[in-house]
Amino acid sequence: DQQVKQNSPSLSVQEGRISILNCDYTNSMFDYFLWYKKYPAEGPTFLISISSIKDKNEDGRFTVFLNKSAKHLSLHIVPSQPGDSAVYFCAASANDYKLSFGAGTTVTVRA
Amino acid sequence: DADVTQTPRNRITKTGKRIMLECSQTKGHDRMYWYRQDPGLGLQLIYYSFDVKDINKGEISDGYSVSRQAQAKFSLSLESAIPNQTALYFCATSDAAEGQPQHFGDGTRLSIL
Repeated sequence: DQQVKQNSPSLSVQEGRISILNCDYTNSMFDYFLWYKKYPAEGPTFLISISSIKDKNEDGRFTVFLNKSAKHLSLHIVPSQPGDSAVYFCAASANDYKLSFGAGTTVTVRA
Repeated sequence: DADVTQTPRNRITKTGKRIMLECSQTKGHDRMYWYRQDPGLGLQLIYYSFDVKDINKGEISDGYSVSRQAQAKFSLSLESAIPNQTALYFCATSDAAEGQPQHFGDGTRLSIL
């Protein structure tokens, strides 16, 4: 029973445009959310996170939005760059430091 | 040098063999984790350890065992490998403070024939 869902397996976007990745969760106890980025043959690397007490967190070109009532979060990348082509995982934690991961979204940035 | 090192990076073995995957870290973190990733699925937690004397089962621990030999070392064993354990395995570490992200190794690709 997957508690974190990324319903779009892939996303293609033109360089310079916005990439929007979506993530839905079912466990109302989740209070901390993270996005990871993964290149082939490498492990996931932490990108950005947000606590449930906030609805937005920004770090450079990356912004995460949290809608607790809808149990939905999204990652915006503006502007998208070729180096952003990777698999992005959404993850959530219920204050016990264990992470539940979504299946990932593969982003391809076209030149 | 990588902060979280997994060995081997690739392994092919036969059904019934005992396999050990090793993980070492230089980040000084107390918490260590083992995950597996299957195609089209997210990472699933196998085991985790919050300190040397603490070992906990994750979502999919059946068929696996772990050993926390030191703060910096956490190994995963498959006692009798079976083909459906073919997957990509990741080790991760984290600080004990709340809200700290996990840091991952580059993974071990394991194939069981």
